Amino acid sequence: EAGVVQSPRYKIIEKKQPVAFWCNPISGHNTLYWYRQNLGQGPELLIRYENEEAVDDSQLPKDRFSAERLKGVDSTLKIQPAELGDSAVYLCASRGPSAGGRGLNEQFFGPGTRLTVL
Amino acid sequence: GENVEQHPSTLSVQEGDSAVIKCTYSDSASNYFPWYKQELGKRPQLIIDIRSNVGEKKDQRIAVTLNKTAKHFSLHITETQPEDSAVYFCAASGGNTGFQKLVFGTGTRLLVSP
Repeated sequence: EAGVVQSPRYKIIEKKQPVAFWCNPISGHNTLYWYRQNLGQGPELLIRYENEEAVDDSQLPKDRFSAERLKGVDSTLKIQPAELGDSAVYLCASRGPSAGGRGLNEQFFGPGTRLTVL
Repeated sequence: GENVEQHPSTLSVQEGDSAVIKCTYSDSASNYFPWYKQELGKRPQLIIDIRSNVGEKKDQRIAVTLNKTAKHFSLHITETQPEDSAVYFCAASGGNTGFQKLVFGTGTRLLVSP
């Protein structure tokens, strides 16, 4: 079974430019998360989807960040325009009862996209 | 909302020694506590988790203990090996934040020297 897939793995842009990240969760996983991980910190939730519905986006900076999961499968996170402080690793994770993990609660993470804003 | 604190931020041990990482949480209604291991440049991976209805759980060389009264939980790694070197994150969920929302600690960098 393939894990969570993210692309690109690395992205370097200049400030004020737009950027987009893509995530394909594990097949059958209804719940999808986007996290931001700053250097030396733990992941911080940006948004959670249940199928195509964003059920928790309270920590998403909506003035410049947007996300979508139109068909309830893969998802895109966008930043427009990017700022210097957006440099971080953006992690996608998914969760589902059919995961075969240690329990119903396990979140499986993708490899992340490392964003550098110059 | 939930707040998770993790200590120490760095931990250096000799191979074969034990390592203990401690976390405290603020929301008494939290009921799920996973631990993730993240090697340099790689994704976080779940290594062990515990629900609030048990006080301890073991899986080979790793164990997690939970004290609900004190609102703290700990990761114990015995007979450490160099490949245990990584950053470890604790997390908590449940209660007012909802069962599916994880709040992570700031991480502990474990270095196991041969």
